[in-house]
Amino acid sequence: SQTIHQWPATLVQPVGSPLSLECTVEGTSNPNLYWYRQAAGRGLQLLFYSVGIGQISSEVPQNLSASRPQDRQFILSSKKLLLSDSGFYLCAWSSPMNTGELFFGEGSRLTVL
Amino acid sequence: AQSVTQPDIHITVSEGASLELRCNYSYGATPYLFWYVQSPGQGLQLLLKYFSGDTLVQGIKGFEAEFKRSQSSFNLRKPSVHWSDAAEYFCAVGPTGYNKLIFGAGTRLAVHP
Repeated sequence: SQTIHQWPATLVQPVGSPLSLECTVEGTSNPNLYWYRQAAGRGLQLLFYSVGIGQISSEVPQNLSASRPQDRQFILSSKKLLLSDSGFYLCAWSSPMNTGELFFGEGSRLTVL
Repeated sequence: AQSVTQPDIHITVSEGASLELRCNYSYGATPYLFWYVQSPGQGLQLLLKYFSGDTLVQGIKGFEAEFKRSQSSFNLRKPSVHWSDAAEYFCAVGPTGYNKLIFGAGTRLAVHP
């Protein structure tokens, strides 16, 4: 069966520090991968998606970047964090057959102070 | 423009009472529709989905939803709510290319004993 792992689960970082959140999917090949952000009291905002190694599409301009160095690994990064980057970050995958549904990781809580 | 509206931000029900969470969507073609549930600090879990066919779909945990094309709605229902159903519920529509789902802002459900 397929599983998705995200880490770290919780992160507290000072403003201006770098960020790296990692996501790994197991049990499937060539998944579509996604990073969503969920701000307090708000819905989910799609940040990035990837349909293959090295292929990254950004949905919104921001202080963050994403990379996909391996087929089932998706990384969210920042060189210098802003206060507004605080939130709950969710990685998700879907079948490359575009069946529609997303499968989510457990999320990473980022607090920027 | 494609969008999802969940009119109720917060809903409180008594344990054992029936539940209906509303979802309205705007989508140019026949949509795929989803309901996800999120417990505090956790990722999203798929409750049910509608792709085609029978407009009344059954999901996990005793939930069901009905697709009404004429009303552009996909409301979630449960006949008898349990305390463990307290969570946030998200309606989503898609796919908008590469399974990029559009999520509503969510409805937070509280259950009184």
